[in-house]
Amino acid sequence: DAGITQSPRYKITETGRQVTLMCHQTWSHSYMFWYRQDLGHGLRLIYYSAAADITDKGEVPDGYVVSRSKTENFPLTLESATRSQTSVYFCASSEYSTVNTEAFFGQGTRLTVV
Amino acid sequence: GNSVTQMEGPVTLSEEAFLTINCTYTATGYPSLFWYVQYPGEGLQLLLKATKADDKGSNKGFEATYRKETTSFHLEKGSVQVSDSAVYFCALIGDSGGSNYKLTFGKGTLLTVNP
Repeated sequence: DAGITQSPRYKITETGRQVTLMCHQTWSHSYMFWYRQDLGHGLRLIYYSAAADITDKGEVPDGYVVSRSKTENFPLTLESATRSQTSVYFCASSEYSTVNTEAFFGQGTRLTVV
Repeated sequence: GNSVTQMEGPVTLSEEAFLTINCTYTATGYPSLFWYVQYPGEGLQLLLKATKADDKGSNKGFEATYRKETTSFHLEKGSVQVSDSAVYFCALIGDSGGSNYKLTFGKGTLLTVNP
């Protein structure tokens, strides 16, 4: 199916554990993004990628690691989860265009760190 | 860097009331502007967009006009329905590639429409 999918949809993990959130898109978009959504903060950019093997930090990158070995995948890893990383995480993809710009979002992953 | 400021709300209206959610931005050049909507328990969906000054984006009765002179992109709807209850996000994306090409969001406005 075409689109952008995130997995898992829900995850509960313990403090200190490593956890990886997956994101896969089928359009071969160049750009991919990870956001976290928290009450009172809206959506904040964690990391983004302009192409395979090119990644950049966003607004709140501390405690997260990303990789992009293939254009269609952009996993987000929490190396040692903390309670402050409890959030809803959204992945998005887009193709750079000056006239028809749009970003497409996954359904989100609700992560709870206990 | 780029930033978006929107009316935070929450906003509570009666059905058929007029809606305005203010959004202003700071960015260099000519960013593209968006309104996204998030219904309860769901991801974000693009509601409308405008890619150049004076463009009007419209969808499902919602409208917003890209005003470069006031750096604004206010969302309006003439008659809201209960089904419009959601969180609305104003966002922009830079006008060049590389590190400038990323969506920057406002904090979101929760709209509740009562019957």
